[in-house]
Parts: sequence; structure tokens; C-alpha cells
Amino acid sequence: AQSVTQLDSQVPVFEEAPVELRCNYSSSVSVYLFWYVQYPNQGLQLLLKYLSGSTLVKGINGFEAEFNKSQTSFHLRKPSVHISDTAEYFCAVDIQGGSEKLVFGKGTKLTVNP
Amino acid sequence: DVKVTQSSRYLVKRTGEKVFLECVQDMDHENMFWYRQDPGLGLRLIYFSYDVKMKEKGDIPEGYSVSREKKERFSLILESASTNQTSMYLCAITGTGGQYEQYFGPGTRLTVT
Repeated sequence: AQSVTQLDSQVPVFEEAPVELRCNYSSSVSVYLFWYVQYPNQGLQLLLKYLSGSTLVKGINGFEAEFNKSQTSFHLRKPSVHISDTAEYFCAVDIQGGSEKLVFGKGTKLTVNP
Repeated sequence: DVKVTQSSRYLVKRTGEKVFLECVQDMDHENMFWYRQDPGLGLRLIYFSYDVKMKEKGDIPEGYSVSREKKERFSLILESASTNQTSMYLCAITGTGGQYEQYFGPGTRLTVT
């Protein structure tokens, strides 16, 4: 079965430090990749997506992610985090590259401390 | 902006009750989805619909059914609520024009006692 693995369930960091949230997927076909953010008591909001083209994707709030086909990874990065980045982050994969049906990882809770 | 509305933010029901969760979109999107979200498990797909009166099972359809009589409305039904259905329920739709990402409603936190 196709799957998405977020390697860290919780990531604590200090404010202004860099952060990387890791995501790996299993698929033998072309995929579309997404990162979502969920703030407390809210729905999910799209941070960025990779459909094709450049493997480095920039999103909202200063986040970026890099698609690595050989390692089947799509890690999310931010060079300097803020307290307001504290949230849960979900990696998602459209495993059939256009089916619009997503498989989600279990989430990574990012906590930014002062 | 795409707007997805869910009928309730918080809901408390008793075991055995029939529960309706409603999702309404304000755009002309074909694809609508229902997920449940539990701590440590991420989002799991319950049902989805590609058009009016069409539905397909997701990964965890047991104990749930859905209804889509109009394009803008997608209902999730718990025929006989059980305590293990206590969860956050999220509705989503997909964009248009080859965007592929999903847009989410604010969620309904359901507690079954």
C-alpha cells in the first residue's frame, strides 16, 4: 500500500533557529506532493505543493520544500522560525499524480520556544 | 477565495444516536471529501464524492455513510454513533483548473458519550 511517513512526531526548536520537517513516501509512479499546516482548532491550510518542474518549491510564510525523487522525500524547511509557526504540519501525497485523492502522513507537531 | 463551511464546530451526541455532519462549499467544485483526524494517526479518508449522487469509500468507511443530493453539499452520516467515533471530522474539496490541492473546512469536533 502507498504510504507517507513523517519521521518526527514532535520537533521542538528555539525561535530564529532553522527547522527541517521530514517526509518520505512510497510510490512507484509519478506523484504530486503537498505540505499543509494546522493551527490549533482550525482546518488545514496549504503551505506549498509540488506538481512538476523545479524540485525546490517555495510556499507561504517563508517555508520551502525540496522534492527528491531518488530518495522519495519531500522535506519542509524554514531558515528562521517564529513563535507563530507553532502548529502541526502534514505531508500529503496524491499517489496517482492527479487523482486528487490524498494520502496524509501522521503529522509533525512543531513547537517554537522563545 | 474558496470557502468550505461545516455545520457545527463542536457536537456532543449520545451512543446510538444518528448524527449528521454537513459540509457546504460556495464554489462549483465536483470533488468533496470527508476525513477523520485523530492524534497520532493523521487524517484518514472516510468517503469521497466526485459528483452529485456519486460516492466512493475511502480507507475507513465502516460505521459511516454519505449523501450528496446537491453539488454544493456533502453530508456525513453516523447511523448509530459509538464512542470510538469521537474525533475531529474535516471536510475538503479540490480546486479547479488543475490545482489538485484540497481546501479544508474548519472541522467539527464530535464527542460521543
